[in-house]
Amino acid sequence: DADVTQTPRNRITKTGKRIMLECSQTKGHDRMYWYRQDPGLGLRLIYYSFDVKDINKGEISDGYSVSRQAQAKFSLSLESAIPNQTALYFCATSDPGLAEDDTGELFFGEGSRLTVL
Amino acid sequence: RKEVEQDPGPFNVPEGATVAFNCTYSNSASQSFFWYRQDCRKEPKLLMSVYSSGNEDGRFTAQLNRASQYISLLIRDSKLSDSATYLCVVNPRDNNNDMRFGAGTRLTVKP
Repeated sequence: DADVTQTPRNRITKTGKRIMLECSQTKGHDRMYWYRQDPGLGLRLIYYSFDVKDINKGEISDGYSVSRQAQAKFSLSLESAIPNQTALYFCATSDPGLAEDDTGELFFGEGSRLTVL
Repeated sequence: RKEVEQDPGPFNVPEGATVAFNCTYSNSASQSFFWYRQDCRKEPKLLMSVYSSGNEDGRFTAQLNRASQYISLLIRDSKLSDSATYLCVVNPRDNNNDMRFGAGTRLTVKP
């Protein structure tokens, strides 16, 4: 089983609909992130959270909101979806640790492909 | 100008070839650097960190040139299984909330 699980994996919806993407992790990491990936643009950070009471905007947060319900769960909502939110969305976790050589490696879920018509 | 720029490719090489990817970044204060690998329709996974002195992991060698703001990845003796998109990742600060991803370079290794 994947350590970082995203649901749904694929979703087609219409403009104006509310959509929620869910992410859960079994890695025990405090830090969680939501990214979107678009062709030719690379991954861009939407929101991130360093613990249950911590929510921070990323590079492209407009039109999105998040909820950190527990250490293991981080959900992303699109209150009123629009076509330019069509993208591949990734949840990720990290645990930089204290060692000098810790990379703060990001561990990604398998992605949620969202199409807004 | 994008913060992290990569040649999108595709690079099509025969098995056994040596191939090099380049990446440039715009923020001279960037602190840490990485290469991630992303297979088709899959999530990115860390391939290797890039250290100032350069580092090697088997057939893979990463180099950093801070003066030129340039990172490279060299793959020797390419295998079919190396076919993937390689993402250059730059962190301007010493934490994870500001990672900047390149759009990726696609590699196809052919028999």
